[in-house]
Amino acid sequence: NAGVTQTPKFQVLKTGQSMTLQCAQDMNHEYMSWYRQDPGMGLRLIHYSVGAGITDQGEVPNGYNVSRSTTEDFPLRLLSAAPSQTSVYFCASSYSRFMNTGELFFGEGSRLTVL
Amino acid sequence: KQEVTQIPAALSVPEGENLVLNCSFTDSAIYNLQWFRQDPGKGLTSLLLIQSSQREQTSGRLNASLDKSSGRSTLYIAASQPGDSATYLCASGAGSYQLTFGKGTKLSVIP
Repeated sequence: NAGVTQTPKFQVLKTGQSMTLQCAQDMNHEYMSWYRQDPGMGLRLIHYSVGAGITDQGEVPNGYNVSRSTTEDFPLRLLSAAPSQTSVYFCASSYSRFMNTGELFFGEGSRLTVL
Repeated sequence: KQEVTQIPAALSVPEGENLVLNCSFTDSAIYNLQWFRQDPGKGLTSLLLIQSSQREQTSGRLNASLDKSSGRSTLYIAASQPGDSATYLCASGAGSYQLTFGKGTKLSVIP
């Protein structure tokens, strides 16, 4: 049972480049989300999904796009990377779409540097 | 908007000591309160989940309590060990689809 798998673990981009961070879970979880973690700022929610075909914005959605075509996958797209997007990104999932009963399971993180 | 605060930001204790980590939140209408552990360069691991109707949860040497009326939760670690060294984060579920995280307490257990 792999849990939540994120790829890549490390990535360096130049300003203006685009890329996709991949997230997959094998636990049949309804809820999936993306957080970024920055020193002094804590974890902040970027986007989340409560099921295939359903996504919504979190606290800091600007500059990021998401889609949820399957239950398993929830990719995060950076369309035009900016230095302010240098961060560690975490994908997390939960079996409960309502987040009021289930634990949140995290991936190992993707460290992104934008030059 | 829910705000979650963890004090202190860092804590250093000798091995074997019992300790308490604190978490406070501004919106008492929470669904649950979760405690996580994060090791350097790693993701977060869920330690304990307390539903809003519960007062505490226990797992091994860990005990978490919840007092919604005062907006506080505590994580008690008994007989601390060097392997307990990590950053501990709490998060509250005040809205249906989001958790709000504190910035964490970095714990160092000295052998």
